[in-house]
Amino acid sequence: KAGVTQTPRYLIKTRGQQVTLSCSPISGHRSVSWYQQTPGQGLQFLFEYFSETQRNKGNFPGRFSGRQFSNSRSEMNVSTLELGDSALYLCASSLVGDGQETQYFGPGTRLLVL
Amino acid sequence: KNEVEQSPQNLTAQEGEFITINCSYSVGISALHWLQQHPGGGIVSLFMLSSGKKKHGRLIATINIQEKHSSLHITASHPRDSAVYICAVPEYGNKLVFGAGTILRVKS
Repeated sequence: KAGVTQTPRYLIKTRGQQVTLSCSPISGHRSVSWYQQTPGQGLQFLFEYFSETQRNKGNFPGRFSGRQFSNSRSEMNVSTLELGDSALYLCASSLVGDGQETQYFGPGTRLLVL
Repeated sequence: KNEVEQSPQNLTAQEGEFITINCSYSVGISALHWLQQHPGGGIVSLFMLSSGKKKHGRLIATINIQEKHSSLHITASHPRDSAVYICAVPEYGNKLVFGAGTILRVKS
């Protein structure tokens, strides 16, 4: 079974631009969660999608948004990029996303904002 | 909101040593996750446990629900175990709260 894939793997943007990251979950997994990892804040939950609906949301500004498609693939978008958005963005998939099952992580997208 | 604390923050061990990493949380939970992150960023889920003890190869994870504490043990440590180990608890559904991580370095 193929693992979780994320594209692109690396991205360089400038302040004020917007960016879209993509995540393809493991086949059959309906829950996709997104995380941000920075040296200062560590790993933080961004949001979770299940059956094309945002089910949980972390404490991030509205510039961070996402969506999920009918095939469970998910995208996250960051608008009006700030220097502090430089981070590793990880997505993880699981079957139903109840917090009591293993989450399978993708390799991440490393975003640098200049 | 659940607060998750890990100790130690950094750990250096000699190959073959027994290693323990601790994780405490403030609010009762249904499950706890142990994750491993190698340089380069990839994260692997090691364990998800809600009670007792689980073992996988040289790795053992235990949890004490009453004391709100979990430990990850590595027996006969090896340089390839060098990584960051992170514990996480679900705040609601799949919304995980993470510890700051323990950086482990095993020297040969």
